Amino acid sequence: EVQLVESGGGVVQPGGSLRLSCSASGFTFSRYGMHWVRQAPGKGLEYVSAIVENGGTTFYADSVKGRFTISRDNSRDTLYLQMSSLTTEDTAVYYCVKILTAGGPSIYESWGQGTLVTVSS
Amino acid sequence: EIVMTQSPATLSVSPGERATLSCRASQSVSSSLAWYQQRPGQTPRLLIYGASIRATGVPARFSCSGSGTEFTLTISSLQSEDFAVYYCQQFHDWPRTFGQGTKVEIK
Repeated sequence: EVQLVESGGGVVQPGGSLRLSCSASGFTFSRYGMHWVRQAPGKGLEYVSAIVENGGTTFYADSVKGRFTISRDNSRDTLYLQMSSLTTEDTAVYYCVKILTAGGPSIYESWGQGTLVTVSS
Repeated sequence: EIVMTQSPATLSVSPGERATLSCRASQSVSSSLAWYQQRPGQTPRLLIYGASIRATGVPARFSCSGSGTEFTLTISSLQSEDFAVYYCQQFHDWPRTFGQGTKVEIK
């Protein structure tokens, strides 16, 4: 069974930084592209960032480009999201998401429970 | 970026009735579209992808049609567990984008 467990969320002041982690199990992590998707309180889903299987290529939403960095450690089956220069607009639940097929398109098959990031002074 | 627009924002339907949800893309996404269901307090669940392929375990009452820029999700006979928010998402181009969601509520 696929399990994705996010951690690292919390309260941070505007301009601050935070690193999220996602521990994966139940599948061969190194074969799958991984994504971060967020959801602001009471709002819809927003794609944040993606990384290919070997970590060699990354993608970002315009809203986070230059501030967030996605990475992965395939030896630890862990996905990361380093967030900096945070603003109140970044307040959201951040989901770690596994795509459906190895090497396939961005179809979001499995979702973690999410970790809440609150940016507030 | 490709803008995904869903309509209506809220759909009021009685149990057992049909629900029809629309999703429009600002440019063609071919068949690179997925639908997700999010029940209150739960994480999103993949329903349909490739515009018409049901994910594992998704009941046959869920179907999708369309390609290019216009897509429709149909729930043939609403059950109590179907009252939720539904999102469409394109995976044709970067950045991936979602629609704003359609809430299906009990009439």
